[in-house]
Amino acid sequence: EAGVAQSPRYKIIEKRQSVAFWCNPISGHATLYWYQQILGQGPKLLIQFQNNGVVDDSQLPKDRFSAERLKGVDSTLKIQPAKLEDSAVYLCASSLGTRVETQYFGPGTRLLVL
Amino acid sequence: KNEVEQSPQNLTAQEGEFITINCSYSVGISALHWLQQHPGGGIVSLFMLSSGKKKHGRLIATINIQEKHSSLHITASHPRDSAVYICAVGSYNTDKLIFGTGTRLQVFP
Repeated sequence: EAGVAQSPRYKIIEKRQSVAFWCNPISGHATLYWYQQILGQGPKLLIQFQNNGVVDDSQLPKDRFSAERLKGVDSTLKIQPAKLEDSAVYLCASSLGTRVETQYFGPGTRLLVL
Repeated sequence: KNEVEQSPQNLTAQEGEFITINCSYSVGISALHWLQQHPGGGIVSLFMLSSGKKKHGRLIATINIQEKHSSLHITASHPRDSAVYICAVGSYNTDKLIFGTGTRLQVFP
């Protein structure tokens, strides 16, 4: 079974530039999560999708971050414009249902903002 | 105080040693997860448990619901076990994962 795919794996940009990350969840998984993990901290949930609808985006900085999950499969997370403090690993995860259960994580995208 | 606390924060061991990582939490949970994160950043789920004990290879996870405490044990540790181990709890109320800050383990040959 293919796992959660993410791209790119690494990205270096200058502050005020834009960046986009892509995630392809496990086939059939209805729930998709984007997490931000700053070095030395645990992951923080940015947004949760149930199919193509948003379940929770309470911790998403909406002035600069946006995410979409068109057709309820792939998802993109965008930062525009990036700030230095956005340097982190961005993790995508998916799970089969809606209740908290085993989430399958992708390899992550490591972002460095200079 | 964090809702999920892990100890120790950093751990070094010699190959072959028995390792224990602890996790304490303060919220009502539906399940507790142990996750492994390698330097590249990707996370692998090791265990999900809501009671008792689970074993997979050299890894053992236990949970005591009354004491709100879980432990992850690694027997006969190996350098390839070097990683960050993260405890995460599924909050019963919010149905969200709450993550600990992780334990960085280094196993030397």
